[in-house]
Amino acid sequence: EPEVTQTPSHQVTQMGQEVILRCVPISNHLYFYWYRQILGQKVEFLVSFYNNEISEKSEIFDDQFSVERPDGSNFTLKIRSTKLEDSAMYFCASSGMRTFTEAFFGQGTRLTVV
Amino acid sequence: KNEVEQSPQNLTAQEGEFITINCSYSVGISALHWLQQHPGGGIVSLFMLSSGKKKHGRLIATINIQEKHSSLHITASHPRDSAVYICAVAEGSSGDKLTFGTGTRLAVRP
Repeated sequence: EPEVTQTPSHQVTQMGQEVILRCVPISNHLYFYWYRQILGQKVEFLVSFYNNEISEKSEIFDDQFSVERPDGSNFTLKIRSTKLEDSAMYFCASSGMRTFTEAFFGQGTRLTVV
Repeated sequence: KNEVEQSPQNLTAQEGEFITINCSYSVGISALHWLQQHPGGGIVSLFMLSSGKKKHGRLIATINIQEKHSSLHITASHPRDSAVYICAVAEGSSGDKLTFGTGTRLAVRP
């Protein structure tokens, strides 16, 4: 069965450092998403990406965040200068269709900022 | 901003029981999703609904657009159904931006 792969599974970083979270979506999917879940809280939408550009983003997705698809297979989320409150589980998802009908999620990357 | 509420927050059932999880939202939507989050954190998409009812195996999802309410039913529950079930709503024409509920934690006892 096809799957979305995220690496690393757990990342610990010092406050102020840059981190890159990596995702390999399902190969024929066209729509890509990042979500985050702070421990004990709801899942929150961060950004959607299609045709090499951001299609929607939430108010959480400020200038410290960026996404790109550098090589046609990976989909990355960069956090430029991490803060303690960025500690969360970050999920990548991909979909073959716009309406999220067949969305597949990765297992998540747990980011801990110390 | 859409407020998505789920009930109950926690649910314990005996194996074989019929289970219902409810979701209500405050603003009109383009679609509603039911997701399953496993204890390890992984998320699986179960259903996307814009009207009516969908069935997949022992899972049934319904939505009432007028009442802004959806239900997820599990028939003949099994311990492997133990997970957090999350309702999420999509707004706007793209349907990309989802607003999530807090989830319902289900434990099915053998």
